[in-house]
Amino acid sequence: GIQVEQSPPDLILQEGANSTLRCNFSDSVNNLQWFHQNPWGQLINLFYIPSGTKQNGRLSATTVATERYSLLYISSSQTTDSGVYFCAVFTGGGNKLTFGTGTQLKVEL
Amino acid sequence: DGGITQSPKYLFRKEGQNVTLSCEQNLNHDAMYWYRQDPGQGLRLIYYSQIVNDFQKGDIAEGYSVSREKKESFPLTVTSAQKNPTAFYLCASSKGRGPYNEQFFGPGTRLTVL
Repeated sequence: GIQVEQSPPDLILQEGANSTLRCNFSDSVNNLQWFHQNPWGQLINLFYIPSGTKQNGRLSATTVATERYSLLYISSSQTTDSGVYFCAVFTGGGNKLTFGTGTQLKVEL
Repeated sequence: DGGITQSPKYLFRKEGQNVTLSCEQNLNHDAMYWYRQDPGQGLRLIYYSQIVNDFQKGDIAEGYSVSREKKESFPLTVTSAQKNPTAFYLCASSKGRGPYNEQFFGPGTRLTVL
């Protein structure tokens, strides 16, 4: 099956810093989502992005499907950005989401 | 407020017992899903349903069962046949079928087998 790898696995930032998270996938995908999992386990939808670039406040994402990767940019990070960031890709004919391994982000004061 | 609710938030079970996790959505979504998350890992698909009275196995369906009698509800039963049931269970839904429908998640249920 498809492999979805995220890097880096862990990241520690000082508040105010910028960061880039990467998601690589091993095969063609129909679509891609980015999520933030907060410390209570809730998965929050960040982006639904099959291709191109989207922005939402301090966050933006770019997917280059032909090269099989997506990037999530976090600017001016805040402590509330801490948690795990997942990318997930749609494969096959159904609604199957395959999740990546996640990036654990900690933002410190 | 529209959304996905899961209950209970925490659940403790003795070995050998079946337990049912609830998932309800009022988003008028057609498709619903159950995922399992183990510590430090991503989510894996257990079952999904794209229409009432129909459901499909995901990657790790062994030891689980589901039903879809109403559009709004998709309960998951963790049976005694599931060898390692302790995990975080998340329910999701999407408006339609197929790959071009964004999935949204409920708050999850943490199951612990004692």
